[in-house]
Amino acid sequence: DAGVIQSPRHEVTEMGQEVTLRCKPISGHNSLFWYRQTMMRGLELLIYFNNNVPIDDSGMPEDRFSAKMPNASFSTLKIQPSEPRDSAVYFCASSGRTTSLVVQGENYGYTFGSGTRLTVV
Amino acid sequence: AQSVAQPEDQVNVAEGNPLTVKCTYSVSGNPYLFWYVQYPNRGLQFLLKYITGDNLVKGSYGFEAEFNKSQTSFHLKKPSALVSDSALYFCAVSRQSNYQLIWGAGTKLIIKP
Repeated sequence: DAGVIQSPRHEVTEMGQEVTLRCKPISGHNSLFWYRQTMMRGLELLIYFNNNVPIDDSGMPEDRFSAKMPNASFSTLKIQPSEPRDSAVYFCASSGRTTSLVVQGENYGYTFGSGTRLTVV
Repeated sequence: AQSVAQPEDQVNVAEGNPLTVKCTYSVSGNPYLFWYVQYPNRGLQFLLKYITGDNLVKGSYGFEAEFNKSQTSFHLKKPSALVSDSALYFCAVSRQSNYQLIWGAGTKLIIKP
């Protein structure tokens, strides 16, 4: 398995432009998470999906941020319009855990992508 | 509410010495506990987990962690540090019934030659 795949790896854009980050989770994983990491705020959960349904988007900073998961193999995080304070590394992670009973031997952790470094100038 | 505390922003250790990175947690019920490592310009990588069973858990790269229920701690340890262990380390916890991980703030580990 190629792991969680994020694109692009780096994105530099001007303030006010729309930015779309993409994520392909591990096949078979049914939970997907978007995180943002900055020096000041550390690792922040933005939103997570279970079985393609958004479960909790309380971490999304404001209406400029939106996320979709149209199918089990693809998710996007969109920022429109972008602002300099959105500059950060954005990580996608997927997990095979579900809310059902734990299955012995399953890896309950998350697998992270390599991240997208976003710079808004 | 669930929470994770990593009391040290940075830990400095000489190469070859034992290292400990501390983590304490607060969660109702039985916890699932995790350690992840992040190397520069990389995503977080899974190191080890505690779900149930033996309190001493062994993971990748020679790391281990000890679950201490009475102290609600899950400290990460390694008997002999390598310079290549220098990275950012995150502790995380979740409840048995909830798949969402709660993350600590991270501890920067610096191993000096």
